[in-house]
Amino acid sequence: AQKITQTQPGMFVQEKEAVTLDCTYDTSDQSYGLFWYKQPSSGEMIFLIYQGSYDEQNATEGRYSLNFQKARKSANLVISASQLGDSAMYFCAMREIGSGGYQKVTFGTGTKLQVIP
Amino acid sequence: DAGITQSPRYKITETGRQVTLMCHQTWSHSYMFWYRQDLGHGLRLIYYSAAADITDKGEVPDGYVVSRSKTENFPLTLESATRSQTSVYFCASRATGLGHEQYFGPGTRLTVT
Repeated sequence: AQKITQTQPGMFVQEKEAVTLDCTYDTSDQSYGLFWYKQPSSGEMIFLIYQGSYDEQNATEGRYSLNFQKARKSANLVISASQLGDSAMYFCAMREIGSGGYQKVTFGTGTKLQVIP
Repeated sequence: DAGITQSPRYKITETGRQVTLMCHQTWSHSYMFWYRQDLGHGLRLIYYSAAADITDKGEVPDGYVVSRSKTENFPLTLESATRSQTSVYFCASRATGLGHEQYFGPGTRLTVT
């Protein structure tokens, strides 16, 4: 079963508008972490934002914020004031404890965001 | 150079051959990971390691072997390459601790003919 689900394969947003990228997750751990990464067409993976399962406030990093709804098991990324440089693949990831007792990190299938001028 | 490096960056091999992809990090991070990236599948975890001599299977371990005799190195071996293993392979590392993000290598593009 998919641990991280990103249901939007692709999205368009107008420049300067806000956009929300969806992510739902599945874990039985009480302590876990959620991450968002950006992958531009050049291929490198860029860390954007982190939310811990015990963090009471939603994480924010500049124009990025994470809308964390624990009961719904969702961790949506909100990008405010979109810029052309935001066009990229976006991946949601979750850190949890694997079967061997160590931390593992798994990713969703990604959402391709295109910002329209 | 500080950081995380992968070699080779590009590799073409034939079905049935053994191939080893190298990953080296200079931060002494405890955790290291191997992912493969394929269209429509995102990044899928192959193997990960919590420390030297501690490894565990991820989502898609079949056909792959890993070892970690030193903290800084985490090679991935395809014992007998198949066409389905054509992919882009990413290595990543992260420090121990709940909030630490992963640092990724540049990727290795592997083609199995």
